[in-house]
Amino acid sequence: EDQVTQSPEALRLQEGESSSLNCSYTVSGLRGLFWYRQDPGKGPEFLFTLYSAGEEKEKERLKATLTKKESFLHITAPKPEDSATYLCAVPRESGYSTLTFGKGTMLLVSP
Amino acid sequence: NAGVTQTPKFRVLKTGQSMTLLCAQDMNHEYMYWYRQDPGMGLRLIHYSVGEGTTAKGEVPDGYNVSRLKKQNFLLGLESAAPSQTSVYFCASSRRDRPHEQYFGPGTRLTVT
Repeated sequence: EDQVTQSPEALRLQEGESSSLNCSYTVSGLRGLFWYRQDPGKGPEFLFTLYSAGEEKEKERLKATLTKKESFLHITAPKPEDSATYLCAVPRESGYSTLTFGKGTMLLVSP
Repeated sequence: NAGVTQTPKFRVLKTGQSMTLLCAQDMNHEYMYWYRQDPGMGLRLIHYSVGEGTTAKGEVPDGYNVSRLKKQNFLLGLESAAPSQTSVYFCASSRRDRPHEQYFGPGTRLTVT
């Protein structure tokens, strides 16, 4: 059973059109939720760590939030350079130092 | 700093052949990981290491072996390649105190025919 589910699978936005990506998780006793960005043909790049419900983190046009059941990655006034696949991950139940990743949301921002 | 490097970048194997993928990091990280990424399946952990000389199985370890003889290097071996192992392989590393902030290499695209 998937522990991490991301939606939508793909999202197309116009430049400046704000939106949100969703990451829901089913693990009991969340020990952190992590967001990564992956550009085509490259490895993922770490973005944010969230540990407790209500926590928020920001970086440029991105803001990540966390509730007890899900996390959102809000993208405000996106630019074409924000186009990428965004991955969320949680610690594996069988090994805290390792991660289970969602399948990602592919974001395309058109000028 | 080069960060995490992977060798080779591309490789084509025939079924039954063997090969070793090399991962190197220059950040003095204690932890290292091997993942595979397939369309529709996302990133899946193959094996990982929490220190020199130690390795552990991840989510999809069958058909792969690993070794961590030096802190900076993590090798992934395929003893008898199968078409199902066609994938993009990523290596990552992290600090012991921040295991979930992982630094990824550029990937190796492997095709098994």
